[in-house]
Amino acid sequence: TQLLEQSPQFLSIQEGENLTVYCNSSSVFSSLQWYRQEPGEGPVLLVTVVTGGEVKKLKRLTFQFGDARKDSSLHITAAQPGDTGLYLCAGARGGGADGLTFGKGTHLIIQP
Amino acid sequence: SQTIHQWPATLVQPVGSPLSLECTVEGTSNPNLYWYRQAAGRGLQLLFYSVGIGQISSEVPQNLSASRPQDRQFILSSKKLLLSDSGFYLCAWSVLPGTEAFFGQGTRLTVV
Repeated sequence: TQLLEQSPQFLSIQEGENLTVYCNSSSVFSSLQWYRQEPGEGPVLLVTVVTGGEVKKLKRLTFQFGDARKDSSLHITAAQPGDTGLYLCAGARGGGADGLTFGKGTHLIIQP
Repeated sequence: SQTIHQWPATLVQPVGSPLSLECTVEGTSNPNLYWYRQAAGRGLQLLFYSVGIGQISSEVPQNLSASRPQDRQFILSSKKLLLSDSGFYLCAWSVLPGTEAFFGQGTRLTVV
């Protein structure tokens, strides 16, 4: 079974601080995605990374895919209250028609 | 543009009662369709996926079933609900297996 471990599980910081959350696995994924979910809603895709070592930036968010395609990180610069939410990473298992494997997520709270 | 509709948003059902959750996708043809369940502290668990009409694959043996009577319609059912069926159910679609998933708003099911 391919598992994705996300850390930390919970994070509460002050507005303006920087933070990094992690998504790790012992398995290789053909691609990895990050989603953000707000209470009572479905997850919304933020980014997809495909190539080992790839770095993608989305405004204040920087996503990195590990060289071996087993792990990923999300770094937020100058966090804002609007960044509050559940951040989920998901890996594509590759081959065959099936869904994504999701981590349990990081609950992020940015306090004003 | 593509949209996904999922209903109802919330549902309270007694133990032993039947269940039918419906999901429809607009603006695309032959989508890959998925049902996920999100329980507190357990992340998103893939329940069923479908690559075409009448084609259903089950990831986890359980008290639930799924059907795809039309290309863009996906239904999650149960004949007799259990307390353990409570959770947040999410329908999603993707263009290709393992690629970006687009989620519905979710159904909060409480079995009492």
